Amino acid sequence: GAVVSQHPSWVICKSGTSVKIECRSLDFQATTMFWYRQFPKKSLMLMATSNEGSKATYEQGVEKDKFLINHASLTLSTLTVTSAHPEDSSFYICSALKSGRSSYEQYFGPGTRLTVT
Amino acid sequence: LAKTTQPISMDSYEGQEVNITCSHNNIATNDYITWYQQFPSQGPRFIIQGYKTKVTNEVASLFIPADRKSSTLSLPRVSLSDTAVYYCLVGGGATNKLIFGTGTLLAVQP
Repeated sequence: GAVVSQHPSWVICKSGTSVKIECRSLDFQATTMFWYRQFPKKSLMLMATSNEGSKATYEQGVEKDKFLINHASLTLSTLTVTSAHPEDSSFYICSALKSGRSSYEQYFGPGTRLTVT
Repeated sequence: LAKTTQPISMDSYEGQEVNITCSHNNIATNDYITWYQQFPSQGPRFIIQGYKTKVTNEVASLFIPADRKSSTLSLPRVSLSDTAVYYCLVGGGATNKLIFGTGTLLAVQP
């Protein structure tokens, strides 16, 4: 397998502030990482694809200026929720793509619970 | 991206074999089939991945027919701790994107 970590595991912030979430692949290099959000009892929704050294690709309906993604190294991608509002409260999960000769396996982080008050 | 359809929920008892089938009629030639397990408030955990025929690892088997329009995840002798949501995804290939469907909530009872 492979290990992906996220930090912090949970965060509470006030409305209007910004929050940064880190995603790290611990034992492999990942040129591509993904960010998802998940609401209670719902499935994961892909927000964006993060590529090392280039701009992220956002899914339709996801505001790129609100959810800033930076993938500065092969083991780290960050998601910054800017000017957070209560409706941004959610479970944010990242994944990292581990490419092999005959497979494309995505490994997920443990998630970050964001609560905006 | 190929859409997947799987049962919303399934019930089982400890010690039984559980088979969860997923249909993906529009799977592309270069798509892989991957299954994940998710517990509440945790990230999905990779279970198994395959392209065609049968794949087996220490926790599950994945059966894929020749036309690849469906796949079946087989969990041998489930236990209470296998109660979770199981997602079937197709993708990889050129975009590497994985789009999650509704998943199957497996409830294992004593």
